[in-house]
Amino acid sequence: DAGVTQSPTHLIKTRGQHVTLRCSPISGHKSVSWYQQVLGQGPQFIFQYYEKEERGRGNFPDRFSARQFPNYSSELNVNALLLGDSALYLCASSLTGVSYEQYFGPGTRLTVT
Amino acid sequence: AQRVTQPEKLLSVFKGAPVELKCNYSYSGSPELFWYVQYSRQRLQLLLRHISRESIKGFTADLNKGETSFHLKKPFAQEEDSAMYYCALSGRNTDKLIFGTGTRLQVFP
Repeated sequence: DAGVTQSPTHLIKTRGQHVTLRCSPISGHKSVSWYQQVLGQGPQFIFQYYEKEERGRGNFPDRFSARQFPNYSSELNVNALLLGDSALYLCASSLTGVSYEQYFGPGTRLTVT
Repeated sequence: AQRVTQPEKLLSVFKGAPVELKCNYSYSGSPELFWYVQYSRQRLQLLLRHISRESIKGFTADLNKGETSFHLKKPFAQEEDSAMYYCALSGRNTDKLIFGTGTRLQVFP
């Protein structure tokens, strides 16, 4: 198993555009969480999905949305991009939605110009 | 407010010296506490969690509820310990982690 995978590895977008980031959890894991890591800061929680239902949402504007598919993969969507959305976006998966089992992906580096 | 504070951005020691990375937290209730580590060019990974009381790679961390601290310690640092260390907490039965800003540990030969 390759572990949690994310795509793309990095991308560059312009202000006002939208972006879709993708995450494939470890096989058998039913929970996916998304984090934003701005340079010099720790990861900040955005969403958790478990069994295709939203279980938690962090303090992010409605421009951020996510969903989980029947195969437990997930997408994070960000609309109307701002310069401040430039960050590393991390995906993590777990078997049961309990944090001590959580495994992180390598991240997607988003640059907004 | 739920918060994790790591007061040191950078900690530099020589090989064989003791290491203590500080972590203080603020949380109403009984949180789960964790230390995550990120080695150069690797993904974030769990180092240890307070509930398991394990010693991983020689590191230990004791939860002090009175001082709301969860400091990470190692008696003799190794060069391969050089990495970014994040303290984090969560509530029960959730994947939501609240991270500190991280401490970069540099171990010199």
